[in-house]
Amino acid sequence: EPEVTQTPSHQVTQMGQEVILRCVPISNHLYFYWYRQILGQKVEFLVSFYNNEISEKSEIFDDQFSVERPDGSNFTLKIRSTKLEDSAMYFCASSEIQGARRVYGYTFGSGTRLTVV
Amino acid sequence: SQQGEEDPQALSIQEGENATMNCSYKTSINNLQWYRQNSGRGLVHLILIRSNEREKHSGRLRVTLDTSKKSSSLLITASRAADTASYFCATDVQGAQKLVFGQGTRLTINP
Repeated sequence: EPEVTQTPSHQVTQMGQEVILRCVPISNHLYFYWYRQILGQKVEFLVSFYNNEISEKSEIFDDQFSVERPDGSNFTLKIRSTKLEDSAMYFCASSEIQGARRVYGYTFGSGTRLTVV
Repeated sequence: SQQGEEDPQALSIQEGENATMNCSYKTSINNLQWYRQNSGRGLVHLILIRSNEREKHSGRLRVTLDTSKKSSSLLITASRAADTASYFCATDVQGAQKLVFGQGTRLTINP
């Protein structure tokens, strides 16, 4: 069964450093997403991406965050200058279709646990 | 209450019993999805119910949706120890390109 692959599984970084989280979505999917989950809390939407541009973003996704699909297979999330409160599990997801026509759920990756020290 | 709010927050039952989790939401939706998350792991899609459906089954899972009350329930029948996990409802919000997750229900099945 196709999977969404995320690397690394765990990253520790110093406050103020830049981090790039990587994701390889399912190959025939067109919609890509990043979510995060602070330990013990609910899963929060960060950004959705379609046709090489951001289609929606949350309040969390401020100027410190950016996304990119550099080569047609990878989908990355960059945090420019990490803060302690960015520590969380970051999930990438992809889907084939969006909106009312959807019949299947999203496919999520296993996540990257980001620890900012 | 928040969009996609589940209750109970935690549920502990004996193996073989049925587990019911509820979810309420606020906005108009295209569909509602349920996901499972084992501790520290990724989210696994369980079942999707569209806004024009009222009930859906998949194996031991039964989902209902009441759009007039903006609520859904997930029933797991004949529970097993392996069903121990957190369960989240997520609404596919109409007019938006995102899922909004609830707080989740932590389900513990005691052998």
